Amino acid sequence: TQLLEQSPQFLSIQEGENLTVYCNSSSVFSSLQWYRQEPGEGPVLLVTVVTGGEVKKLKRLTFQFGDARKDSSLHITAAQPGDTGLYLCAGPFTGNQFYFGTGTSLTVIP
Amino acid sequence: GAGVSQTPSNKVTEKGKYVELRCDPISGHTALYWYRQSLGQGPEFLIYFQGTGAADDSGLPNDRFFAVRPEGSVSTLKIQRTERGDSAVYLCASSLTLGRENTQYFGPGTRLTVL
Repeated sequence: TQLLEQSPQFLSIQEGENLTVYCNSSSVFSSLQWYRQEPGEGPVLLVTVVTGGEVKKLKRLTFQFGDARKDSSLHITAAQPGDTGLYLCAGPFTGNQFYFGTGTSLTVIP
Repeated sequence: GAGVSQTPSNKVTEKGKYVELRCDPISGHTALYWYRQSLGQGPEFLIYFQGTGAADDSGLPNDRFFAVRPEGSVSTLKIQRTERGDSAVYLCASSLTLGRENTQYFGPGTRLTVL
């Protein structure tokens, strides 16, 4: 059983479409992070959400932390080819460990 | 400034051989993490250091895996008697210090292939 489940696992959409990626857990997290990883590179932090119900925006990306701090979502408006990549959620685990989700691979077709 | 660097970028070895993977963290970062990422999966925690000491090595899968950071900067992940199941991308990350509020900066990874 994965601590952080992401859905969908794969997503292929046309440029200009909107999409939402989900990160779910049965455990409560003090915070959740979202990363984007491009092929051949390490993950890059996009945002950290720390308060239940919190919404953060980063240009066309909107991140939400669930009220119960067990889930989070990433919504992308008007997707562009540059948004293509692997989107990962991660949360602090025991001590200073971070547990990563299963990932969502997004392809935006021009 | 320079980011986290990892060498080699690719390593192909034969089953049973010994390999060393190197990580150069961002200058001044005292915390260093190693992760393993299999194809289509998220990174899996292996070990982290604060300074020279391994603060938490609970993610190392077995005693064939070992990591050192003798001077509190560069770290080496060592794998003995490699097995085909060890094939993965090994990622290193560093942060200013330990603590959940500190951003981890990742290197590009070393792709290990065990034949």
